[in-house]
Parts: sequence; structure tokens; C-alpha cells
Amino acid sequence: EPEVTQTPSHQVTQMGQEVILRCVPISNHLYFYWYRQILGQKVEFLVSFYNNEISEKSEIFDDQFSVERPDGSNFTLKIRSTKLEDSAMYFCASTPLRGQGAYGYTFGSGTRLTVV
Amino acid sequence: AQSVSQHNHHVILSEAASLELGCNYSYGGTVNLFWYVQYPGQHLQLLLKYFSGDPLVKGIKGFEAEFIKSKFSFNLRKPSVQWSDTAEYFCAVTATDSWGKLQFGAGTQVVVTP
Repeated sequence: EPEVTQTPSHQVTQMGQEVILRCVPISNHLYFYWYRQILGQKVEFLVSFYNNEISEKSEIFDDQFSVERPDGSNFTLKIRSTKLEDSAMYFCASTPLRGQGAYGYTFGSGTRLTVV
Repeated sequence: AQSVSQHNHHVILSEAASLELGCNYSYGGTVNLFWYVQYPGQHLQLLLKYFSGDPLVKGIKGFEAEFIKSKFSFNLRKPSVQWSDTAEYFCAVTATDSWGKLQFGAGTQVVVTP
């Protein structure tokens, strides 16, 4: 079964450093998403991406965050200057259709980001 | 704005007991509804989804959910749980006219004791 692949599985970074979280969505999917889950809290939407541009973003997704699809296979989330409160599990997801159609989301395994 | 509320934050039950987790949403338009499960240390997995048609939806691992439109509810049920059902369960909603943003509930931690 096709998978969404995320790397690294765990990243530790110092406060103020830039991090790039990487995702390889399923190859024929067109819509891409990032979510995060702070420990003990619910999963929160960050951003959706379609046709090489952001289609929707949450209030969490401020100027410190950016997304990119640099080469047609990877989908990255960059945090420019990490803060302690950015520590969370970050999930990438993809779907073939807007509104998901019959297939639904496929989530990656997540990257646990720890900011120290 | 959409919101999703899950009634129970933590449920403990014995093997073979029946499970029902409540989920209510608020949104004025047409929605798609989902239940996801997250086993310890693992990623989110889709249990079942409702888009249209029969409001009683059957999913994997013996789970089912019923969409009651008049109550804005989508409760998850399993007649007889197993120890391996210990996990966190999330209800989620997306508006059909959105870009697919999933709005999650706070989750219910289910612990099944042998």
C-alpha cells in the first residue's frame, strides 16, 4: 500500500535554529497538508498546498513557517527560527482529490521535533 | 467556523466490553466525517469515514459509526473490545467545500484492561 514518508523521524534543534521537515507524498496525490500535535493536545491543521501554492493556512502558520515542493516529489515544511513551543509531532498528509473523495487522507508517520 | 467535540477524554474498560465514543460537530454546511486511531508511538490511521449514503458506516477492526444529522453526531462503536484496541481515538470533520482541512476533536484515550 502506498505510503507517505517523513524524514527525519525525530529531530532535536536549538531554539532559534532553522529546521526543515521533509515529506514524500504518494506519487499521484495532488493535495498536501501539514498538521502538528503538541504532546497531550489535539491534532491541529497548519497548511494545505495545491498546484504549487498554499490554498489554506491556519493562524498557527505565521511568517516563521513556509512550505515548498522543490522537485515534484518532496514536500517540505520550514521553520525559520524555532521556538520552544514549536516542539511537537508534525504530520504530513496527502490526498488525491479536493475534499478527499473516496480515498481519504494518507498520513505520514510524523516527525517529532524537539526544540531545546 | 467548524468545531468538533469529543465527550470523553479518557475511557477505561475491560476486554469484551462494548465501547461507544461520542463525537459532535458544529458546521452549517455539508461535511465529511472521520474517525482516526493512533496507537502508541504510531501515526494516525483511518478507522472509517462517512461521505454520504447509509449513515451507519462500518470500518476496520470491527468498528462502526453512525451519522445522525439532526444531532450533528458521529459516534464510534465497537461491540466487544480487545486489549489491542488501547489507543487514542480522534473524530475529525472536513467541510465538503473546503480545501480538505481536517478539524480534529481533542481525542479520547481508550485503555482496555485484560
